[in-house]
This record gives sequence, C-alpha cells and structure tokens, in this order.
Amino acid sequence: DAGVTQSPTHLIKTRGQQVTLRCSPKSGHDTVSWYQQALGQGPQFIFQYYEEEERQRGNFPDRFSGHQFPNYSSELNVNALLLGDSALYLCASSRTYRGTEAFFGQGTRLTVV
Amino acid sequence: AQSVAQPEDQVNVAEGNPLTVKCTYSVSGNPYLFWYVQYPNRGLQFLLKYITGDNLVKGSYGFEAEFNKSQTSFHLKKPSALVSDSALYFCAVRDRDFNKFYFGSGTKLNVKP
Repeated sequence: DAGVTQSPTHLIKTRGQQVTLRCSPKSGHDTVSWYQQALGQGPQFIFQYYEEEERQRGNFPDRFSGHQFPNYSSELNVNALLLGDSALYLCASSRTYRGTEAFFGQGTRLTVV
Repeated sequence: AQSVAQPEDQVNVAEGNPLTVKCTYSVSGNPYLFWYVQYPNRGLQFLLKYITGDNLVKGSYGFEAEFNKSQTSFHLKKPSALVSDSALYFCAVRDRDFNKFYFGSGTKLNVKP
C-alpha cells in the first residue's frame, strides 16, 4: 500500500504565478483534504473533496481552488501567488468524509519568491 | 468553535526519562482527539486517538495519552524517552461531523542522550 502520495515534493514559483499540486489518496479512501502548514505553525484546513465536490472549506480566499477526479485523486490550485503562500501543503485522505482517521502525505514544500 | 492549545513550544527531556507533551482542548460536545508526529520535511504520522471509552489511550511507538474531561486535557506521555522520539508533535481535534482537523501550534520535543 503506497499510502498518500503527493507531487511534486518541492516547488519554487514567482509571485503572481499559478501552481498546481497533486495528491493520490491511500487505497480504499475516497475523501481528500488539503492543509497549509506555514513555518512554525500547525496545519490549517483549506478544503475537502468527496464525490468530486468540495464539501467543506476553511478560511482561505478563492485563489485557492481544487478538484477531485473519478479515481479520487485531487489537485490543489493556487492563483496569483503571494509570498505568504509559501508553506508546506499537506494532503490527507480518509475513508469517507465521516472517517475518524486521516492519513497524511509527505507534503509539497512551496516557496514563492 | 473547536480548538486545541499546546502551551509549550518546546520540551526537553533526557533519554530514558519519562516525557509529557501537553494539550488542552475546547469543543462543544464530546471531543475526538488525536496526536500526530512530524519529522523534519515530512508529513504527519498518526500516533493515537481518543474517540470514546477508556481515558488512557495507547498508541504507536510506546506513546500513550490520558483524556481528562474535567481538565479538558489530552496530554501525550511516554514512560522512557528515546533520542529518536525527537520531533514535532501536534495535538488535534476532529470536527464532529466531518473528517476535518483543527491542529495546535505544535510542540518540539528534544530528547538528549
């Protein structure tokens, strides 16, 4: 079982650009959540996808958007990047949106310069 | 609103000594509480959870946590620390209805030989 996999592991982008991060959930999981972890802070919930729809959203601007595909994999898109978007982006998967556990990927480190 | 607080940014302990990492929570209703560990440049690894039942929860790598409803605490403990336990530890509370987590700010555990 490969667990939750994210790509790429590291990314450097210029302010104003757009970025797409990818996540494949753990086998048997159909719910994907995205978190942003700024340096020295705990992860903050961005949004959650279940059945290809955004089910829950945290306090993040519309520049942050996502998608879930029929195979349950997911993408996180961030437009008009700001320096403050630099962070570790974590994907978590669970067995349905009511699952009690979440399994996290290793994250994508995004640096905006 | 649901939240957790980790009052210590850093905990230092000698190898072989017992360790405690503190967490307090604020939720409406009964809480679902979790501990995760993060090693440098890695994602989050699940340690243990409290959903219901026995107040003493045993988890991975010899860790355990004690749920105390009257003190609204969920402290992480280990009888004998190892140098390899040095990492960043996060306490989290799960939303009652959705697989969405609210994390504390994290506590850095340093175990010295």
